[in-house]
Amino acid sequence: LAKTTQPISMDSYEGQEVNITCSHNNIATNDYITWYQQFPSQGPRFIIQGYKTKVTNEVASLFIPADRKSSTLSLPRVSLSDTAVYYCLVSPEAGGYNKLIFGAGTRLAVHP
Amino acid sequence: GAVVSQHPSWVICKSGTSVKIECRSLDFQATTMFWYRQFPKQSLMLMATSNEGSKATYEQGVEKDKFLINHASLTLSTLTVTSAHPEDSSFYICSARGGTGPATEAFFGQGTRLTVV
Repeated sequence: LAKTTQPISMDSYEGQEVNITCSHNNIATNDYITWYQQFPSQGPRFIIQGYKTKVTNEVASLFIPADRKSSTLSLPRVSLSDTAVYYCLVSPEAGGYNKLIFGAGTRLAVHP
Repeated sequence: GAVVSQHPSWVICKSGTSVKIECRSLDFQATTMFWYRQFPKQSLMLMATSNEGSKATYEQGVEKDKFLINHASLTLSTLTVTSAHPEDSSFYICSARGGTGPATEAFFGQGTRLTVV
């Protein structure tokens, strides 16, 4: 399973764009990249998933370079409610059961 | 998105007793369920993976006789912490996947806070 590396923590201010980069040097051809958000005492919540290039949804964008050895989660105009831990996961494509192994995550603090 | 429900949300039990935590997929059939534990300020640690009708596969270092997992149906998995001790106090989270298609999304329960006194 590919191991992921993220910054331990980040600070930002309301209204700013936040970019969190995740390294996954050993990503396999069939692996997908998924980002989750977790608030204290809650289960993780899916944010976005991608395989290559750029993916955008209503809450975030995910940028994946051609070599796929890293990915960047972009949160536009963060608010205080975006303060949470963000996890980058890499998991194999279906074909059996797929483990979801969590790394340390990035603790994002958004300040007024 | 799909809903995964855990019950109870929190539980306090006496040392030496057993506690059962339920994980249900409310609007989809979960072919695979995962159980995690999380200590304060730490990441989620995968404990085991269960497929409906099969024995659970435990991660290295997780005692299968202590953490009993039963995935009896496509919508229900249970985790029983047997003979609980204070060091078992933790936040337990389940996750469910509804299929084996490409990039199948995993949905997480809200977690169960277990306190052993």
